[in-house]
Amino acid sequence: ETGVTQTPRHLVMGMTNKKSLKCEQHLGHNAMYWYKQSAKKPLELMFVYNFKEQTENNSVPSRFSPECPNSSHLFLHLHTLQPEDSALYLCASSHQFGQLSGNTIYFGEGSWLTVV
Amino acid sequence: EDQVTQSPEALRLQEGESSSLNCSYTVSGLRGLFWYRQDPGKGPEFLFTLYSAGEEKEKERLKATLTKKESFLHITAPKPEDSATYLCAVQEFNAGGTSYGKLTFGQGTILTVHP
Repeated sequence: ETGVTQTPRHLVMGMTNKKSLKCEQHLGHNAMYWYKQSAKKPLELMFVYNFKEQTENNSVPSRFSPECPNSSHLFLHLHTLQPEDSALYLCASSHQFGQLSGNTIYFGEGSWLTVV
Repeated sequence: EDQVTQSPEALRLQEGESSSLNCSYTVSGLRGLFWYRQDPGKGPEFLFTLYSAGEEKEKERLKATLTKKESFLHITAPKPEDSATYLCAVQEFNAGGTSYGKLTFGQGTILTVHP
């Protein structure tokens, strides 16, 4: 069991659907991240939130909409996705983004998304 | 542009056959180099952080080392349960000398250890 919990673990959605991924961290961290992992590609950073404020948007299409209501929760709202968006979406957290001292990032188990 | 390259892409070992995985990086200012282990269908599990050339860290059968251009993950007498994808990532300083915190990952090395 990790300190970062993601739900659902698996999601199948049509291209016209709207769904959301949820992430909760129990580590007392202040920074949260969304990463995308596609087959045969390195993990790609999507968004970073630091103390609930978005600090990074890595040129992610607007069909992905993040929300961070507090430092413990992070959502990824999905709408009108494409089949190429099918991937493993990983949530992660760390103490503080931009902090000089050690800033290890801890990952959740991921949400497998299939767009049909 | 920062780059992280891992080799080999896949490695098959017999149980007890020691070997090493490589992670080469090019960054303007390295803040830290991270190793993660990822089992199929799961998220990456943190293993080590290395901060400066010459640093070494060990955990059970794993030992990570760091030079100015690359890191090695040495696996001594591996067991089948060591089979996983091993990911390397770098964290860089920005121009102001503080850490952004975000990680740039390599594509990973898939390790399979046969009994």
